[in-house]
Amino acid sequence: EPEVTQTPSHQVTQMGQEVILRCVPISNHLYFYWYRQILGQKVEFLVSFYNNEISEKSEIFDDQFSVERPDGSNFTLKIRSTKLEDSAMYFCASRAGGSIGWTQYFGPGTRLLVL
Amino acid sequence: KNEVEQSPQNLTAQEGEFITINCSYSVGISALHWLQQHPGGGIVSLFMLSSGKKKHGRLIATINIQEKHSSLHITASHPRDSAVYICAAHGGSQGNLIFGKGTKLSVKP
Repeated sequence: EPEVTQTPSHQVTQMGQEVILRCVPISNHLYFYWYRQILGQKVEFLVSFYNNEISEKSEIFDDQFSVERPDGSNFTLKIRSTKLEDSAMYFCASRAGGSIGWTQYFGPGTRLLVL
Repeated sequence: KNEVEQSPQNLTAQEGEFITINCSYSVGISALHWLQQHPGGGIVSLFMLSSGKKKHGRLIATINIQEKHSSLHITASHPRDSAVYICAAHGGSQGNLIFGKGTKLSVKP
């Protein structure tokens, strides 16, 4: 069964460093998402991406964040200068689109720790 | 701003019990999702529903659009059902989800 994959599974970085989180969505899916979950808190929406551009973003998704789909398969989230409060689990998700493609399929997550 | 509220926050049940988790949301939505988060963190979509009722195995989800309320039921609960169950509403036209805080279910043998 097709699945969403994410790399790395864990990342430790120093405050101020740039990190890139990678996702490979399911191949025929058209809509892509990043969510994050700070330890002990609820999952929060960051950004949605469709047709090679951001379609919606939350207040969390400020200028320090960027997304791109560089090669038609990978979908990346970049945090330019990490802060302590960026420590969280980051989930990528994708869905097919169309009238029946509303179910989102989640990757296993990347646990980011900023020291 | 759409808010999604779940109850209870924590639920402990004995194996075989019938379980109900409730979800309410504050504004009109196009659909509501129920998801399961495993202890390791992985998230799996269980149901998406915009009206009525859906059933998958021992899981049943219902929604009442007028009352802005949904329930997830588990019949004949089993220890392997232990997980966090999350309801999430469509928050925008692109399908991005607004999550509730989740209900941590623990089923004892």
